[in-house]
Amino acid sequence: DGGITQSPKYLFRKEGQNVTLSCEQNLNHDAMYWYRQDPGQGLRLIYYSQIVNDFQKGDIAEGYSVSREKKESFPLTVTSAQKNPTAFYLCASKGHSTDTQYFGPGTRLTVL
Amino acid sequence: SQQGEEDPQALSIQEGENATMNCSYKTSINNLQWYRQNSGRGLVHLILIRSNEREKHSGRLRVTLDTSKKSSSLLITASRAADTASYFCATDAKGNDYKLSFGAGTTVTVRA
Repeated sequence: DGGITQSPKYLFRKEGQNVTLSCEQNLNHDAMYWYRQDPGQGLRLIYYSQIVNDFQKGDIAEGYSVSREKKESFPLTVTSAQKNPTAFYLCASKGHSTDTQYFGPGTRLTVL
Repeated sequence: SQQGEEDPQALSIQEGENATMNCSYKTSINNLQWYRQNSGRGLVHLILIRSNEREKHSGRLRVTLDTSKKSSSLLITASRAADTASYFCATDAKGNDYKLSFGAGTTVTVRA
């Protein structure tokens, strides 16, 4: 899991609530990514950021929002507009001089 | 979008045997990467092969890339129980803003 931390490990959300997932890295990486993983499936890109104060939508951005105010941090908010948020969420980062992404341990979100 | 598709979806082998899994993709790539995911954990990078490379080795791992067929294979030799995991290929497509597209993965079970 390297120098990327995600919290919490498990998160429970009630219908209609917004929740924020934390992702922090101490690798001095410029780029950060949020992925969603559903059972038996691969990763789908939600949002990504290549530099502070800038981010782009991925393939499944609807119902999610992000911010990138600091290089080390890339929090993801799952809003009430996301109709099926129960999933495993993974954060990753990438340095400027590498093509490899480094992943955090993940947050499992369950809607009650 | 999920560009890579792994085959088979699942694989069960005896300890000491070799495991081979394949990945097919659709567009031109800069590189193709293989990642491992243990159950409920984040992804760990295994190996990267660039579009101008045909074969690469790392310990017990051997990766091949055939850009004419848009396919790659990952071979794990002399498998161990600790190799039990899901394996994902990820493509870095040309002109895709350094984003990775992941396949659905191959789940490998190594029996003792």
